[in-house]
Amino acid sequence: GAGVSQSPSNKVTEKGKDVELRCDPISGHTALYWYRQSLGQGLEFLIYFQGNSAPDKSGLPSDRFSAERTGGSVSTLTIQRTQQEDSAVYLCASSLLPGNQPQHFGDGTRLSIL
Amino acid sequence: AQSVTQLDSHVSVSEGTPVLLRCNYSSSYSPSLFWYVQHPNKGLQLLLKYTSAATLVKGINGFEAEFKKSETSFHLTKPSAHMSDAAEYFCVESGAGSYQLTFGKGTKLSVIP
Repeated sequence: GAGVSQSPSNKVTEKGKDVELRCDPISGHTALYWYRQSLGQGLEFLIYFQGNSAPDKSGLPSDRFSAERTGGSVSTLTIQRTQQEDSAVYLCASSLLPGNQPQHFGDGTRLSIL
Repeated sequence: AQSVTQLDSHVSVSEGTPVLLRCNYSSSYSPSLFWYVQHPNKGLQLLLKYTSAATLVKGINGFEAEFKKSETSFHLTKPSAHMSDAAEYFCVESGAGSYQLTFGKGTKLSVIP
């Protein structure tokens, strides 16, 4: 079946621009996660959505980062006024249920800020 | 706070020889543990998971891992490396009932023909 789909796969933009990254989770998965993977920092948790509950935003690095999940399915991660340190691979994952269920990852969006 | 330590940042083996990727976790209770593999420009793919049912866990592609509580270890092994195993491997811990994952720094596996 279809896995987690992320778009775009690559994004190059100028410093100061806003970017939107999209994640389409596996159908029926109630939990959705965003992570950032960068050299030297490994994988960092950004935000978590579960059903209609308020998201856990504790991992967002600054108020330039925001995310939403519409209709309990597709999610968009927005980075405003991008900085060079935002350059990283942004990974989305989904799981059938929260808790210790395996998370299924998309291939990520490679973001480069010039 | 949880922490996961992957003891080797890079492991190099010859094709057909055994693979050992080492991982130590920090939790004092029985955590859920996972190994994921990441090929270049790809997301993370689940290899196997431990959730306290059995200490020896078999995964995909011939990999297995053994949970050793006394050593707080969860090392990943494979009897015979294949060229297609060259990738980065992540040991991951999930706290009891928690959705938050703690990732190790990763071990890059190289397979020499």
